[in-house]
Amino acid sequence: EAAVTQSPRNKVAVTGGKVTLSCNQTNNHNNMYWYRQDTGHGLRLIHYSYGAGSTEKGDIPDGYKASRPSQENFSLILELATPSQTSVYFCASGDASQSNTEVFFGKGTRLTVV
Amino acid sequence: TQTVSQSDAHVTVFEGDSVELRCNYSYGGSIYLSWYIQHHGHGLQFLLKYYSGNPVVQGVNGFEAEFSKSDSSFHLRKASVHWSDSAVYFCAVSARANTGKLTFGDGTVLTVKP
Repeated sequence: EAAVTQSPRNKVAVTGGKVTLSCNQTNNHNNMYWYRQDTGHGLRLIHYSYGAGSTEKGDIPDGYKASRPSQENFSLILELATPSQTSVYFCASGDASQSNTEVFFGKGTRLTVV
Repeated sequence: TQTVSQSDAHVTVFEGDSVELRCNYSYGGSIYLSWYIQHHGHGLQFLLKYYSGNPVVQGVNGFEAEFSKSDSSFHLRKASVHWSDSAVYFCAVSARANTGKLTFGDGTVLTVKP
């Protein structure tokens, strides 16, 4: 079964500190995505990747960096965390084939910046 | 730019009732539509998708959705809900079939009372 695993599941960070959120997928999917979800809203795309070594900006990339060192791993990096980045972050992976638009999501990481 | 509107923030029904969750979108080109479900504390799970052909698509657990180009809509329906259907439902659109670059609506909280 398709699996996307995020770590940590919960994180408290201090303002100005560096935070790295990790994501691992065992689906052998080319595409991976980072979204954030704020209370009462849908998910918004931060960064995405088409494969190892590739990162692209999504709709709200400011304040975030991404890293895709391998097919399986995709990290989201907050170099200088701010309270406005308190949110729930979801990683997802997807197949690049035309016939399959299903995207598989991880369980989320709850980040609190104090 | 595509946008998604889910007009009902909350819907409450009784077990065995039928339900329709509404989704309207705006986008000028070809569009690919999907619905996701999020149970409390979990990531999103795929329900169904539409990108061409029969405008009524069947998904998991008895859900179906109907695409209407004239109304710019993709409403989700279920004939008889179960208490386990209580969750948040997200409508999402993308400009291409093979991408997880999704634009989400704000979600509809469905509560099914026994």
